[in-house]
Amino acid sequence: QQQVKQSPQSLIVQKGGISIINCAYENTAFDYFPWYQQFPGKGPALLIAIRPDVSEKKEGRFTISFNKSAKQFSLHIMDSQPGDSATYFCAASNANTGNQFYFGTGTSLTVIP
Amino acid sequence: KAGVTQTPRYLIKTRGQQVTLSCSPISGHRSVSWYQQTPGQGLQFLFEYFSETQRNKGNFPGRFSGRQFSNSRSEMNVSTLELGDSALYLCASSLVWGAGYTEAFFGQGTRLTVV
Repeated sequence: QQQVKQSPQSLIVQKGGISIINCAYENTAFDYFPWYQQFPGKGPALLIAIRPDVSEKKEGRFTISFNKSAKQFSLHIMDSQPGDSATYFCAASNANTGNQFYFGTGTSLTVIP
Repeated sequence: KAGVTQTPRYLIKTRGQQVTLSCSPISGHRSVSWYQQTPGQGLQFLFEYFSETQRNKGNFPGRFSGRQFSNSRSEMNVSTLELGDSALYLCASSLVWGAGYTEAFFGQGTRLTVV
């Protein structure tokens, strides 16, 4: 059973546009929600993360929006650039189980110049 | 500050053999987690070690095992390799265990191919 559901599976955006990736979870015990970016041949790199007591977090062009009541969170990439083309994973964890992350299935983002 | 180092980067093994993968965490980090990444199943948690003790384990058969040394370096072992074990094995390094909101940093992974 997929604990974190991610959509869309793939996304094509024009340069300068906004990329939006959505994730949903069921386990209300989750208390940490990171996003990872992965380029081919590389390991996932931590992009940005949020806690459930915050509704939004912004770092540069990347913003996480969090809706605790809906059990959903999303990543917005503003002014998308070709260099943002990568696979993005959302994840969730619970402090009681340490650093065991449940990952979404990933979104392959392509930014067209 | 050096990142997470995984060795070797690539491995080709024959079905039935065993393999050992190594992970050196970021200096000062004491928690090491292992993940298997495949196109079909995505990223799946194998186990996590902190202070040389396995703290939690994912849903993998007993053929998958690991250990952590006093310097926080970790190894994972897969015995009796099967074709389905072909995957990218990723190690993640964290400062502590159980504190919540702890950032995890991944290595580049070891690409294991079982033939």
